[in-house]
Amino acid sequence: TAGITQAPTSQILAAGRSMTLRCTQDMRHNAMYWYRQDLGLGLRLIHYSNTAGTTGKGEVPDGYSVSRANTDDFPLTLASAVPSQTSVYFCASSDSDRGEQYFGPGTRLTVT
Amino acid sequence: GQNIDQPTEMTATEGAIVQINCTYQTSGFNGLFWYQQHAGEAPTFLSYNVLDGLEEKGRFSSFLSRSKGYSYLLLKELQMKDSASYLCAVRDSNYQLIWGAGTKLIIKP
Repeated sequence: TAGITQAPTSQILAAGRSMTLRCTQDMRHNAMYWYRQDLGLGLRLIHYSNTAGTTGKGEVPDGYSVSRANTDDFPLTLASAVPSQTSVYFCASSDSDRGEQYFGPGTRLTVT
Repeated sequence: GQNIDQPTEMTATEGAIVQINCTYQTSGFNGLFWYQQHAGEAPTFLSYNVLDGLEEKGRFSSFLSRSKGYSYLLLKELQMKDSASYLCAVRDSNYQLIWGAGTKLIIKP
């Protein structure tokens, strides 16, 4: 079972460029999440989706957008990247907003 | 505001026991999670507490006191592979996880 996959594994992006981080799960989980992880800080929620067709803002949503067209995919888009968006991005899913979360392998993004 | 506190780093000896503490102040409480994260990898689920008391799972146990806003993760018979960061997370009144910064555990032979 693949679980959750993320692409790309890593990326160097010039400031001002746009980029979409991909996330796909095969567990038929209803809820999906995007986090960023920075050194010395806890995981911070960017956006979430409790079910296909709905999304919500997390703690740090500015500069990011998401969509949830179907159960399996939850892409994260940076419209115009800035250096402060340099981070490791994790996608996660759970069978509901009450279950434990399962994480993808992460995308390491560097904005120069 | 919401806050999760854990020690930044701990060191222990192979074969020994270590306790990692977590204190929290959140808007509401709907359970506490512990995750393990090896360097360069994704967090993986270890344990979940929603009621007071001790939950045991093999070499790992997790304790919760809701009245004190306190939890600990107990790791017994430490192995070198237990070297990792341990993340405490609380599910708040909106059913979102609030994460601590993690405790880096270093195991020495």
